Amino acid sequence: DTGVSQDPRHKITKRGQNVTFRCDPISEHNRLYWYRQTLGQGPEFLTYFQNEAQLEKSRLLSDRFSAERPKGSFSTLEIQRTEQGDSAMYLCASSPGGGTAQETQYFGPGTRLLVL
Amino acid sequence: AQSVTQLGSHVSVSEGALVLLRCNYSSSVPPYLFWYVQYPNQGLQLLLKYTTGATLVKGINGFEAEFKKSETSFHLTKPSAHMSDAAEYFCAVSTLNQAGTALIFGKGTTLSVSS
Repeated sequence: DTGVSQDPRHKITKRGQNVTFRCDPISEHNRLYWYRQTLGQGPEFLTYFQNEAQLEKSRLLSDRFSAERPKGSFSTLEIQRTEQGDSAMYLCASSPGGGTAQETQYFGPGTRLLVL
Repeated sequence: AQSVTQLGSHVSVSEGALVLLRCNYSSSVPPYLFWYVQYPNQGLQLLLKYTTGATLVKGINGFEAEFKKSETSFHLTKPSAHMSDAAEYFCAVSTLNQAGTALIFGKGTTLSVSS
């Protein structure tokens, strides 16, 4: 069990550029979540996948945000036309996917985005 | 809708002193409650969770929390603080809803431990 990994760990970009982050969940975890964490706040839920199906995306912050999990394994989160307000830590988490609210989510180290 | 309130954004204790981090929740259905810890530049690590059954939950690193339904609280305690406990602590609630089992987090409490 190697844990959840995220790449890159840090990203600096200029306003208006597109960025893409990758998340590799724990092997055989069916559920994958994306959260955003801004300074002084707790993580905020963005979207989640059950295998390759994106079951909830209404919490994505705007239509500039999109996520995919094409083969039910790794996932990508893309932000188009970045804005300074997008600067935050983007966290990925995975869980076994038994469908119960009590299951533990395992978090990756996050990708810290800075938009200049 | 569920929500979590963590009282005190910053708590300072001396090494060896009692740690008490406060968390109150709001939920219209029986909640599942979690405490996570975040060290600088790292992701979140589960300390403990309450699902059903025993209301006193023991976690890693000597932490424990007690679920009190009447007070809608889930405070985190540790009898004796260690320097390595300095970190950010998040309380979270989860229920099964349209967002799957997405966690709703409080704003966090930063714990400082002085020697």
